[in-house]
Amino acid sequence: DAKTTQPNSMESNEEEPVHLPCNHSTISGTDYIHWYRQLPSQGPEYVIHGLTSNVNNRMASLAIAEDRKSSTLILHRATLRDAAVYYCILTVSGAGSYQLTFGKGTKLSVIP
Amino acid sequence: GAVVSQHPSWVICKSGTSVKIECRSLDFQATTMFWYRQFPKQSLMLMATSNEGSKATYEQGVEKDKFLINHASLTLSTLTVTSAHPEDSSFYICSAPYLGGGGETQYFGPGTRLLVL
Repeated sequence: DAKTTQPNSMESNEEEPVHLPCNHSTISGTDYIHWYRQLPSQGPEYVIHGLTSNVNNRMASLAIAEDRKSSTLILHRATLRDAAVYYCILTVSGAGSYQLTFGKGTKLSVIP
Repeated sequence: GAVVSQHPSWVICKSGTSVKIECRSLDFQATTMFWYRQFPKQSLMLMATSNEGSKATYEQGVEKDKFLINHASLTLSTLTVTSAHPEDSSFYICSAPYLGGGGETQYFGPGTRLLVL
């Protein structure tokens, strides 16, 4: 499985944008880039995913490098509720019910 | 959006007893569900893949006779921890894949915290 590398932790001030990086230099052409987050004492929550083009949804934006070897999850205005562990995960397209392999993720702290 | 529930949310039991955890997809059907375990300050570890109408597939190192999985319907999978011991104390989380307009994503339950005394 292609691996991802994320910083262990990051801090952000409340109401400021946050850019969470993820490196996936061994990504294959059929791998999707997924982001999930886990708030304390809760199950993970889907955030966003993409293949080649940048993606936006109500929660975040996903910027994918042209060579697809890295991506950045962008939270446009961090709130205290965004404090969580963010996981960047690669999945194989067309694999049907794929399983997710979680790394250590990035623990985001939001400072009021 | 798709919702996955788990019951109970937390359970305390004595060593040697069995505990059943339910995972339900509330507004969609799931022929496959996944069970994860998470120890404090660690990431989620996949335990097994639950398949509706057939046997579960277990990850290496997970004892199938200890962690019994039953996927009896398209909306329900159960995980039974048999003869639980203190080392089984953990946060158990299930997920179900959902195929939406943007492709397949996973929806997770809120988790079940198990404490074995």
